[in-house]
Amino acid sequence: QQQVKQSPQSLIVQKGGISIINCAYENTAFDYFPWYQQFPGKGPALLIAIRPDVSEKKEGRFTISFNKSAKQFSLHIMDSQPGDSATYFCAPQGGSEKLVFGKGTKLTVNP
Amino acid sequence: GAVVSQHPSWVICKSGTSVKIECRSLDFQATTMFWYRQFPKQSLMLMATSNEGSKATYEQGVEKDKFLINHASLTLSTLTVTSAHPEDSSFYICSARDLAGVGEQYFGPGTRLTVT
Repeated sequence: QQQVKQSPQSLIVQKGGISIINCAYENTAFDYFPWYQQFPGKGPALLIAIRPDVSEKKEGRFTISFNKSAKQFSLHIMDSQPGDSATYFCAPQGGSEKLVFGKGTKLTVNP
Repeated sequence: GAVVSQHPSWVICKSGTSVKIECRSLDFQATTMFWYRQFPKQSLMLMATSNEGSKATYEQGVEKDKFLINHASLTLSTLTVTSAHPEDSSFYICSARDLAGVGEQYFGPGTRLTVT
């Protein structure tokens, strides 16, 4: 049973555009919803995270939108830049300390 | 802050030998560390949860006798791949949970293991 479904698998955006990546989950015990950014050959880095008591969190060009009733959360990257080209993972957590990783989205931002 | 280091960053070893990978939390204490492996163009797969001073908890399908984990202090966990074979070649990544914060996990830079 796949607990976390991330979409799309890959995304190509023009510089200055908006990148949107979605994550749907099944486990209602999740209470921490992070997005990680990973560059080739590097470990993932925590990009932004949200707790279920708020519906949106913004940090610079990055925004998480959280819909508890739909069991979905999304990452929005405004004014996307070529340096944002990376693989993004949602990895909700709850109950146990384990992160449950999505399959990842490869984002390419064309100059 | 919240830096996790891994050593070595890459290693090549011969089939049948063992290799040890270190994971350190540099500026925070972590009673819990996690070990993942990642194949090319795939997601991270959790191998085991490492708790300071106790035995690691392995995920289903992970051979505990092959992947030895030791968490001897609040800032150091080690993964030893014993009797390595070419199929063990992978990218191994550790993470550490910062108890002083709200429990975020911070990842190391990864170790590329190639078994020849």
